[in-house]
Amino acid sequence: KNEVEQSPQNLTAQEGEFITINCSYSVGISALHWLQQHPGGGIVSLFMLSSGKKKHGRLIATINIQEKHSSLHITASHPRDSAVYICAAPNFGNEKLTFGTGTRLTIIP
Amino acid sequence: DTEVTQTPKHLVMGMTNKKSLKCEQHMGHRAMYWYKQKAKKPPELMFVYSYEKLSINESVPSRFSPECPNSSLLNLHLHALQPEDSALYLCASSQVRQNYGYTFGSGTRLTVV
Repeated sequence: KNEVEQSPQNLTAQEGEFITINCSYSVGISALHWLQQHPGGGIVSLFMLSSGKKKHGRLIATINIQEKHSSLHITASHPRDSAVYICAAPNFGNEKLTFGTGTRLTIIP
Repeated sequence: DTEVTQTPKHLVMGMTNKKSLKCEQHMGHRAMYWYKQKAKKPPELMFVYSYEKLSINESVPSRFSPECPNSSLLNLHLHALQPEDSALYLCASSQVRQNYGYTFGSGTRLTVV
């Protein structure tokens, strides 16, 4: 089973700040998922990436397969970015995902 | 269509009731999943269907009964639930290989009274 660790667990920042959330995993994978969940809401898939970098609007995700590490960055953060961000890694040989414990992000206006 | 649609969004049921949760996708995904999520916890996998066959059952109590009638639909039948089963139930789908296209539904918030 893949062990997935996220940091920080909680993050509070002022509107406009650059945000970084980190994710490390123990077993080599083909791709990593970044997910977003607003309070009381369902889960939205932000990125699935297998190498390099992906960008969508103000969100950027990077992955280093050799170091088993991924980061999610938010530029020009906004209060609507307040949510829990979860990284998830597949287990080898089956369809399971192992989820990190999540990072609770709060952006203060 | 790039969505996973779950119905109902909210459900309140008594411990003697029988109800069903529904999940639908039209992305051609052949893997479909049920997850249970308690407050402030990551989702916990319950069941996986691969090519309409149950491939993973994470030792879920028999009061939860999944069904995959075709490649686009996934149901979760509920019977004789307990208050501790109250949670957000999430459906997801993906391509079978390497979890490509993993997409979650917005969930059904279930309250058992």
